Amino acid sequence: AQSVTQLDSHVSVSEGTPVLLRCNYSSSYSPSLFWYVQHPNKGLQLLLKYTSAATLVKGINGFEAEFKKSETSFHLTKPSAHMSDAAEYFCVVKDNQGGKLIFGQGTELSVKP
Amino acid sequence: DTAVSQTPKYLVTQMGNDKSIKCEQNLGHDTMYWYKQDSKKFLKIMFSYNNKELIINETVPNRFSPKSPDKAHLNLHINSLELGDSAVYFCASGRESGNTIYFGEGSWLTVV
Repeated sequence: AQSVTQLDSHVSVSEGTPVLLRCNYSSSYSPSLFWYVQHPNKGLQLLLKYTSAATLVKGINGFEAEFKKSETSFHLTKPSAHMSDAAEYFCVVKDNQGGKLIFGQGTELSVKP
Repeated sequence: DTAVSQTPKYLVTQMGNDKSIKCEQNLGHDTMYWYKQDSKKFLKIMFSYNNKELIINETVPNRFSPKSPDKAHLNLHINSLELGDSAVYFCASGRESGNTIYFGEGSWLTVV
């Protein structure tokens, strides 16, 4: 069975400093991995996706993630946090049977001025 | 143009009532989904339809009945609402052969 584990339930950074949100995955197949963001009382927005092409994936709003098979990780990073980045972030793997998305528990990112 | 739209966005109702949440997508996708987000923000799939046929039913109580009149619509009907049904319900769509799933804005259901 496929799964993802987000290693931190809450991350707090100062504006202008780097962001690192950690995600490990478990999959018997070559996985399709995603990061979604949810701002307060809003829907889910796709940040980026990995689908067995380049291992370094660039997304919207300056975010990127690197697929590391040896570490079974797909960590999300951003060089410089902005106040508007404060939100809940979900690491997601797509199940190869049925196509459903399997979500991690979420990481709440706080950005301090 | 909203790609995946769901209504209502907010719904407050009493226990025992029956309610529906509607979802429409204008992306030409062949697969639609309902996900539930609980109070701890955990998201889990409820149903998946492909070309109007039920593909995934994740041990959801029979009180929840999805209906797909056509490929662009997937509605969720809930009978005899219970307090524990309070959650955010997300509709989503994608292509069976594709990798990206697009979500609606969510419907906040509160049962009192």
